[in-house]
Amino acid sequence: GDSVTQMEGPVTLSEEAFLTINCTYTATGYPSLFWYVQYPGEGLQLLLKATKADDKGSNKGFEATYRKETTSFHLEKGSVQVSDSAVYFCALKHGANSKLTFGKGITLSVRP
Amino acid sequence: DTEVTQTPKHLVMGMTNKKSLKCEQHMGHRAMYWYKQKAKKPPELMFVYSYEKLSINESVPSRFSPECPNSSLLNLHLHALQPEDSALYLCASSQPSRGTYEQYFGPGTRLTVT
Repeated sequence: GDSVTQMEGPVTLSEEAFLTINCTYTATGYPSLFWYVQYPGEGLQLLLKATKADDKGSNKGFEATYRKETTSFHLEKGSVQVSDSAVYFCALKHGANSKLTFGKGITLSVRP
Repeated sequence: DTEVTQTPKHLVMGMTNKKSLKCEQHMGHRAMYWYKQKAKKPPELMFVYSYEKLSINESVPSRFSPECPNSSLLNLHLHALQPEDSALYLCASSQPSRGTYEQYFGPGTRLTVT
């Protein structure tokens, strides 16, 4: 079955540091890939998405590229802010009638 | 507008109470979802409604009863819950026929069962 693996956390960074959060997946074919962010006390927000190989999703300074050859969708940001402190979930979906499969999530804390 | 609204924001209920959670979206989406999320865990799918019909029930106990009155509304009726049912309950919606199938989540209802 489908699965998503995220790097172990938590991650603590200083403001303006470079961020990489690793995400790899196991799935047949070409699933759609997503990053969701959950700020403290809130629901999940769709951060970015990609639907086919070599697609780059981007939003709010975050980027992730759909790499079919390495089955990866790593999240990056060049300069993190305190306001980026949140839990980040990588997820995949195979089509209209399939489940959204989440990774375990990783907590990011950014200190001033 | 990609907003999904949920009420109430917080709910405390006893094990003998009956309560309902409500979810609404006005994006024209025809698929709606209920998820349960425990602290520091990813959401777990409970139910899926597609075109107002229940299409997925992830073996959820009968003390949780979903209802989809129309294409914009989704309810979750709660009865005789257990303390372990305390969690954040998230509603989501998506357009089944649209290419990327992304789901949009509401802010959730934080449920405490005493």
